Amino acid sequence: ELKVEQNPLFLSMQEGKNYTIYCNYSTTSDRLYWYRQDPGKSLESLFVLLSNGAVKQEGRLMASLDTKARLSTLHITAAVHDLSATYFCAVDQNRDDKIIFGKGTRLHILP
Amino acid sequence: EAGVAQSPRYKIIEKRQSVAFWCNPISGHATLYWYQQILGQGPKLLIQFQNNGVVDDSQLPKDRFSAERLKGVDSTLKIQPAKLEDSAVYLCASSLAGIYGYTFGSGTRLTVV
Repeated sequence: ELKVEQNPLFLSMQEGKNYTIYCNYSTTSDRLYWYRQDPGKSLESLFVLLSNGAVKQEGRLMASLDTKARLSTLHITAAVHDLSATYFCAVDQNRDDKIIFGKGTRLHILP
Repeated sequence: EAGVAQSPRYKIIEKRQSVAFWCNPISGHATLYWYQQILGQGPKLLIQFQNNGVVDDSQLPKDRFSAERLKGVDSTLKIQPAKLEDSAVYLCASSLAGIYGYTFGSGTRLTVV
């Protein structure tokens, strides 16, 4: 059974700092997704990573995928308050278009 | 492109009552999902449809939950009878194919009292 683990689960950081959120998964997969969720809102797609070594960047966020290590990272550069949200990774284990979510990382950026 | 539509946005019911949620996916998206998100947790897949057929309902509590997608377009999720632990946000998502990602609706927040 696929397990998706994120860490940290909660992160409070100062504006201007860099940090990384980690997503580990338990079985082989080369499809990984990152989502953002604001309080009381739905899930917003950030990145779709579909191969080993995939790297995608949007603004201050950069995501990468290492399928051999079963690890994806979401790196935040020079954080700003507007990035405060909960970030989820999700994995498709069998390329069957069924994604399993981690518990999320609640990010709080202090102005 | 219109997004995934869900209704109602909020629902408060007493335990043992029944409730239904509706979802209209993005036009052309063959795959539709219902997820349950309990406060502070990640979404949990309840059921996956491909057109009007069920692909996976292994996590659906079938003694009280049911879902259908009769014409391969919109879908309903029903809970009967509801329990306190069913309080959650119910998210509908649709996809053209996994490689293009998944689009989520705004969700229905259910409170069972």
